[in-house]
Parts: sequence; C-alpha cells; structure tokens
Amino acid sequence: EAQVTQNPRYLITVTGKKLTVTCSQNMNHEYMSWYRQDPGLGLRQIYYSMNVEATDKGDVPEGYKVSRKEKRNFPLILESPSPNQTSLYFCASSLKRDGYEQYFGPGTRLTVT
Amino acid sequence: GENVEQHPSTLSVQEGDSAVIKCTYSDSASNYFPWYKQELGKGPQLIIDIRSNVGEKKDQRIAVTLNKTAKHFSLHITETQPEDSAVYFCAAGGRDDKIIFGKGTRLHILP
Repeated sequence: EAQVTQNPRYLITVTGKKLTVTCSQNMNHEYMSWYRQDPGLGLRQIYYSMNVEATDKGDVPEGYKVSRKEKRNFPLILESPSPNQTSLYFCASSLKRDGYEQYFGPGTRLTVT
Repeated sequence: GENVEQHPSTLSVQEGDSAVIKCTYSDSASNYFPWYKQELGKGPQLIIDIRSNVGEKKDQRIAVTLNKTAKHFSLHITETQPEDSAVYFCAAGGRDDKIIFGKGTRLHILP
C-alpha cells in the first residue's frame, strides 16, 4: 500500500529535550516536506527536500532541522524544543514539487511543556 | 510572495444542500490548484485538482471552477452528506514554485 508513515503519532516532551520525528514514504517520491498545522493558521511549510541531499527552508524553519540521506526518509529534528513548537506536524511527499498530488502522513501531535 | 486567501473559515449547510468554498491567489504564474480534505485525526487528502488550461472540472458531487483573470477558484459540493463534514484546504502552485495552502474551511453538514 502506498503510504507516508510518521512516528511517533503523539509526543509530550519538556523544553530543551532534543527529539526527532521520523517520516518515511514507499512511493519513490523525489519531493518531501514538513508542515505544521495550528488553529487559524492552516498548513505552514517548515522544510522541504527536492531529492536526496537537497533540503531547503520553508516558511517557518526556525527551531527545526531536517536531513535527507535516503530517498524514502525525511526526519524532522527539534534540537531544543520550546512551547511555541507545540503543534500538529505533517510529513508529505509527491513525485516532484510542481503540480503533483501530495500524500500526507497521519500527523504527529507534539506538546512541549 | 504567493498568498492564498480562503473563505469562509467555517461553513454549516443542511444535509442535501450545496456548499461552496472560495479561494483567491496572488501569483498570476500559478497554474495548479488542488483541493484537500482533512478528516478528523487524519492527514489532508487530495479530492480534486485543476490546472490553468481548463475552467472547470467535475468528479461526481464535487466540482472546481477556476477564473484565471480574477485569480480565484472555488470548490462546489452538491447534495452534501454527513461524510462531507471535514476541513477543506485550497492551494495554489506552479512552475518552479511551491504549493501555498489556504487557511482551511471547516465544513459542518447539519442533519
């Protein structure tokens, strides 16, 4: 089954404790991205990757890091989480960036206390 | 940069009636306009998309219209059913440019 998986689905952590949210897709897609969803603000892009070893900032990259060492995986790293990073996070992938359907993961709800 | 405005933010319609969600975009170079549906506890899923070389596209009860001159596009859902209750996102993108999402519309189908 073609899908995007994310782990964990739910995470409660404390300020400053490094965490990683994993994302994996099995569709051989070139393009992957991370979004955060907050009430009233919709989906905002954090980082994206056009292909392996090619990552770039989205609209709200501060406080986040990503890596793309393999085509299927695109982890999101929070080196020192803060309460304003409490949000619902989605990973997405598509064949290419421009004009292709994006497939979203199920989401990771992160709470930073 | 590109901006996508979506209205209304919340919409309640009686079951069986039609629902219309409208979006405007700022970048005239945009040529791809997808609509995503997000059900509770799930990630958004594409329900229909339209490209700038057509003005309308229909898929069963769902249709999208595009007015490139006015830079706006709309989602039309006819004969609404309870399972249509969800959050809907419009988006716009194009050549050498990323997809920008609207802020979403929460659609309630009233019994």
